Amino acid sequence: EPEVTQTPSHQVTQMGQEVILRCVPISNHLYFYWYRQILGQKVEFLVSFYNNEISEKSEIFDDQFSVERPDGSNFTLKIRSTKLEDSAMYFCASRMDSNNEQFFGPGTRLTVL
Amino acid sequence: GENVEQHPSTLSVQEGDSAVIKCTYSDSASNYFPWYKQELGKGPQLIIDIRSNVGEKKDQRIAVTLNKTAKHFSLHITETQPEDSAVYFCAASGAGGQNFVFGPGTRLSVLP
Repeated sequence: EPEVTQTPSHQVTQMGQEVILRCVPISNHLYFYWYRQILGQKVEFLVSFYNNEISEKSEIFDDQFSVERPDGSNFTLKIRSTKLEDSAMYFCASRMDSNNEQFFGPGTRLTVL
Repeated sequence: GENVEQHPSTLSVQEGDSAVIKCTYSDSASNYFPWYKQELGKGPQLIIDIRSNVGEKKDQRIAVTLNKTAKHFSLHITETQPEDSAVYFCAASGAGGQNFVFGPGTRLSVLP
């Protein structure tokens, strides 16, 4: 069964450093998402991406965040200058079209020291 | 914007009993309501969903009901098993929007 994959599973970085979280969505899916989940809290929407552009973003997704689909298979989330409060699980999700379910990846645990 | 509340935050049941988790939403334009199960260290997995043109949906031991007038929807798990133990999240998706607004989650423990 096709699945969303994410790398790395765990990323540790120093405050102020840039990180790139990688996702490979399901191959025939057209809509891509990033969510984050701070430990013990609910899953929060960050951004959605369709047709090579951002279609929606939350207030969390400020200028420090960017997304890219560089090669037609990967979907990346970049945080330019990490802060302590960026420590969280980051989930990528994809869906075939706007009427179908979102499939979530296993997540990347980001720890900012 | 949409706000989703979820109760209870924790729920313990004996194996074989039923479990009910309730969610309310604020945006009457929301039209899609999925339920996700999250096991420790894993991403959320869809277990059932319902659209606003349906009042109830069932899949084996799992059912979801939707009351559009009251803006609430519920997850029902019957004949619970220890492997049902996980955190369950409800979510709502608004008309025209693609992103989900998640509830805060319910930690379900099924005691053998």
